[in-house]
Amino acid sequence: EIVLTQSPGTLSLSPGERATLSCRASQSISSSYLTWYQQKPGQAPRILIYGASTRATGISDRFSGSGSGTDFTLTISRLEPEDFAVYYCQHYGSSPPMYTFGQGTKLEIK
Amino acid sequence: EVQVVESGGDLVKPGGSLRLSCTASGFTFSNAWMNWVRQAPGKGLEWVGLIKSKTDGGTTDYAAPVKGRFTISRDDSKNTLSLQMNSLKSEDTAVYYCTPGGSGGSCYYWGQGTLVTVSS
Repeated sequence: EIVLTQSPGTLSLSPGERATLSCRASQSISSSYLTWYQQKPGQAPRILIYGASTRATGISDRFSGSGSGTDFTLTISRLEPEDFAVYYCQHYGSSPPMYTFGQGTKLEIK
Repeated sequence: EVQVVESGGDLVKPGGSLRLSCTASGFTFSNAWMNWVRQAPGKGLEWVGLIKSKTDGGTTDYAAPVKGRFTISRDDSKNTLSLQMNSLKSEDTAVYYCTPGGSGGSCYYWGQGTLVTVSS
């Protein structure tokens, strides 16, 4: 079973700064099945990145995803006030079908 | 426009049962693999289980904590997904979301969720 570990648990930055969030898998996974979500308090998750590096429809180009194998990164180039939220990575495994989420990284205003 | 709307959340006693529903629109429900994902208060996201499309066999898979207690079913004629939850425990307290699985296993659309509270 794949385990996703996100780091750091909490990231304190100021608007305008660059954020780098990490997602590490317990074994090598296909980047095709790695997704990033953003969740704000009281709201449902929103998809940001799928296939490790493809932005979902309507997502700002300030968000970018990269990585392969066991190490994946979500980068937010210039933080806007609306970016402060919790971010989750997620993997889909096909045999048997199952979804695994990382524990989340909280991005907070410094 | 894709919409998913969950309902049925309630306060239930430990050991009790509850049935959640999800009504979907804006996409071909019968072709979709449908998931339930939950989030305990102040915690992260946890996958509960999925049901494949009937074309792909209509089979179900569950996360270990709910296997044997929860059952997912679908009614493609009504674009409805259900989650039957039995032998509920306090640790099942969470907001439950229904979400269609897209290509690559990504969940593009989410409802607002429905809150299940298990407490005496």
